Amino acid sequence: AQRVTQPEKLLSVFKGAPVELKCNYSYSGSPELFWYVQYSRQRLQLLLRHISRESIKGFTADLNKGETSFHLKKPFAQEEDSAMYYCALKGISGNQFYFGTGTSLTVIP
Amino acid sequence: DGGITQSPKYLFRKEGQNVTLSCEQNLNHDAMYWYRQDPGQGLRLIYYSQIVNDFQKGDIAEGYSVSREKKESFPLTVTSAQKNPTAFYLCASTHRGLNTEAFFGQGTRLTVV
Repeated sequence: AQRVTQPEKLLSVFKGAPVELKCNYSYSGSPELFWYVQYSRQRLQLLLRHISRESIKGFTADLNKGETSFHLKKPFAQEEDSAMYYCALKGISGNQFYFGTGTSLTVIP
Repeated sequence: DGGITQSPKYLFRKEGQNVTLSCEQNLNHDAMYWYRQDPGQGLRLIYYSQIVNDFQKGDIAEGYSVSREKKESFPLTVTSAQKNPTAFYLCASTHRGLNTEAFFGQGTRLTVV
């Protein structure tokens, strides 16, 4: 079974501080990992995906297969980063998307 | 304007009634999904469909039914058998295959009164 775990429901950091949102997964194969973000009153949208190795809005995430993790990081948090963040896994065979329980990030001015 | 549209935004239902939530996409996506979003539980997969006239149960399919008669449409029916139907429902769609992101609708908030 595929599962995604986000251990922190709530995370608060001060503006300018580094932030790390944790994500661990279990999957018997090579998954695709994503981070989705939901800003207040907006629809859920893609932030980044592991396969692209991109940095979006200063965020990066590295897939660590040994630790089965895909943590989201940003060196200097901004107030506009306050949102709900979901880690997601896509199974290669079934095309399903599985989501974690989400982490609500608050950046304190 | 391409995208995925859910309607209505808010829906009220009396206990014992079935209700159908609409999801339409004009992105030419093959796969479509229904999720339920509850506080503290994240997004849980109800049903998904990879192709017209085919769909699969997700983790919490009991009390729900779907159909996929057209590529663009994937309606979700919340039946009276669903014990706790009050929730926020999200529809998503994606192309099949690798490196394909999911696009989400704005959601429907269903309240049972």
